[in-house]
Amino acid sequence: DTGVSQDPRHKITKRGQNVTFRCDPISEHNRLYWYRQTLGQGPEFLTYFQNEAQLEKSRLLSDRFSAERPKGSFSTLEIQRTEQGDSAMYLCASTGSGYGYTFGSGTRLTVV
Amino acid sequence: GQNIDQPTEMTATEGAIVQINCTYQTSGFNGLFWYQQHAGEAPTFLSYNVLDGLEEKGRFSSFLSRSKGYSYLLLKELQMKDSASYLCARQGPGNTPLVFGKGTRLSVIA
Repeated sequence: DTGVSQDPRHKITKRGQNVTFRCDPISEHNRLYWYRQTLGQGPEFLTYFQNEAQLEKSRLLSDRFSAERPKGSFSTLEIQRTEQGDSAMYLCASTGSGYGYTFGSGTRLTVV
Repeated sequence: GQNIDQPTEMTATEGAIVQINCTYQTSGFNGLFWYQQHAGEAPTFLSYNVLDGLEEKGRFSSFLSRSKGYSYLLLKELQMKDSASYLCARQGPGNTPLVFGKGTRLSVIA
């Protein structure tokens, strides 16, 4: 297993466009988390899944954001009508029965 | 981060010892993580403390005092490659998501 994979690594989009990111967690991990990180800040929680169920969403996750994990494996995070304030690193992490999170390398979004 | 405080920046000399402190909200506390994050990369796990005391792992050690809501990460024999951000993260009850501090950017100088 190669760890947590995120795609794409970088995305530049024009304001108002929709973007979708993908995360492939470690295969035996049943919990998957999305975080957002801006320069000089720690990761901020967005949402998480246990298997295919979305169990918690942060207030940061406006109605322009939606996340899915249809078969309890990979997950997607979609941002509709992007705004410049959405520019950030979007991090995915997974964990199983242990306590540690394994993070992916992130998707860096730039909205121009 | 939510009620998690750590210094924004620290500078230390190669070969020296540095201690990075973290304070957190104690209610509903289950454990404390430290992660290392190099610029532009993902956070990587360093340590996890759930009981009071010191956990040592090579050049890195982490300490926890549950009653005081306090932890520190101790880095010994600093190397240039230790220049990174160090993130303190608090674990709440059950499977609630980790809450991260803003991170401490450590610069190791010659």
